[in-house]
Amino acid sequence: AQTVTQSQPEMSVQEAETVTLSCTYDTSENNYYLFWYKQPPSRQMILVIRQEAYKQQNATENRFSVNFQKAAKSFSLKISDSQLGDTAMYFCAFMNMEYGNKLVFGAGTILRVKS
Amino acid sequence: GAVVSQHPSRVICKSGTSVKIECRSLDFQATTMFWYRQFPKQSLMLMATSNEGSKATYEQGVEKDKFLINHASLTLSTLTVTSAHPEDSSFYICSARGGGGSWVTNEKLFFGSGTQLSVL
Repeated sequence: AQTVTQSQPEMSVQEAETVTLSCTYDTSENNYYLFWYKQPPSRQMILVIRQEAYKQQNATENRFSVNFQKAAKSFSLKISDSQLGDTAMYFCAFMNMEYGNKLVFGAGTILRVKS
Repeated sequence: GAVVSQHPSRVICKSGTSVKIECRSLDFQATTMFWYRQFPKQSLMLMATSNEGSKATYEQGVEKDKFLINHASLTLSTLTVTSAHPEDSSFYICSARGGGGSWVTNEKLFFGSGTQLSVL
């Protein structure tokens, strides 16, 4: 069974600083997809970044980048130049086509950006 | 970008009544829709997967008769909470997936804005 573990229930960072959120997962499959979603206080789910497991290059989206370590089954999210608007719950998620393309979410990490 | 509209955003009902939540894909055909439940400060738990024109597939532990899902068209799925009780109070979120082509470029998940259900 696929599981996703986020070991940091809460994190805080100063505005303009860098923060890294951790995520590990467990799967026996070789082909899968990993995601980071952001859920701000509005509770709208927003896709932050996506990584295909077959790609060795780490995905990057502006201030957001990931460190994908396939052998270690690790998928951390780095947020650079943190902004107040980054304050949200962040979910790591896993999807495997053989598992029906269903998203499996981690428990989430609450990130607070302080001014 | 693709939009998924979910209504209502908030509903308060009396115990024993039924509540219907709608999830619409506004500018694409959603071959599959997913329904999630989320308690405060917790993760999203998948309740069921619905494919247009077929019966929904429920996750283990989810009562099929309590949470009725209908996916009658490629743009609309509904979740009906039947005979709601206070323990059904939660935040419900739908997501929709369009189809076709490369998964990476064309097949993505889009989330509705959620429905807060409060059962008195």
